[in-house]
Amino acid sequence: QVHLVESGGGVVQPGMSLRLACAASGFTFSSYAMHWVRQAPGKGLEWVAIISFDGNNEYYADFVKGRFTISRDNSKNTQYLQLSSLRAEDTALYYCARGRLGASGTWGPIDIWGQGTMVTVSS
Amino acid sequence: EIVLTQSPATLSLSPGERATLSCRASQTISSSYLAWYQHKPGQAPRLLIYDASNRATGVPARFSGSGSGTDFTLTISSLEPEDFAVYYCQQRNRWPPIFTFGPGTKVDI
Repeated sequence: QVHLVESGGGVVQPGMSLRLACAASGFTFSSYAMHWVRQAPGKGLEWVAIISFDGNNEYYADFVKGRFTISRDNSKNTQYLQLSSLRAEDTALYYCARGRLGASGTWGPIDIWGQGTMVTVSS
Repeated sequence: EIVLTQSPATLSLSPGERATLSCRASQTISSSYLAWYQHKPGQAPRLLIYDASNRATGVPARFSGSGSGTDFTLTISSLEPEDFAVYYCQQRNRWPPIFTFGPGTKVDI
């Protein structure tokens, strides 16, 4: 069965850093692009970043502005999101998600989601 | 940057009724890059429709997607109790593959 399990969330002070991890199982991780999506309390879904199946290409939402870095280790079936210079507005549930394979190649929409890990930025 | 607008913000309906949800893009987008998701409180979102009109695996036939250019629609032909949720459309830029979500439509009883 396909599973994505996020970890690494917590409470941090503004300006601090945090690294989120997402462990994948039940599918050939190295064949799929992977996403991060977040949802602030009471708000809608917000796409954060995507990384290619081989880790060679990564793309970000405009609001990231160099503060976040997506990466992956295919030998460990794990992807990561490094969060830096955190702000109160980064407080959100961060979802790890898999990109669907299809006509768009590996850059498809999200077909599998984890349950999310909560990041709270507060002094 | 392509902006997605969803309407209405809230749709109040009864089980058995038809739901029609709209997603409008600020620029023409490829139908291949438009998806719809269902999101219930406390659960992970679920892919319903990809490429504007293709149902994802396991999605009931009462869900259908249509549209092209800048206007897209998700239709739920006859609402079941489990369909009350928030629905998001999502688009992908042709290149680079940047994704954006619409603000969502809440379907409630």
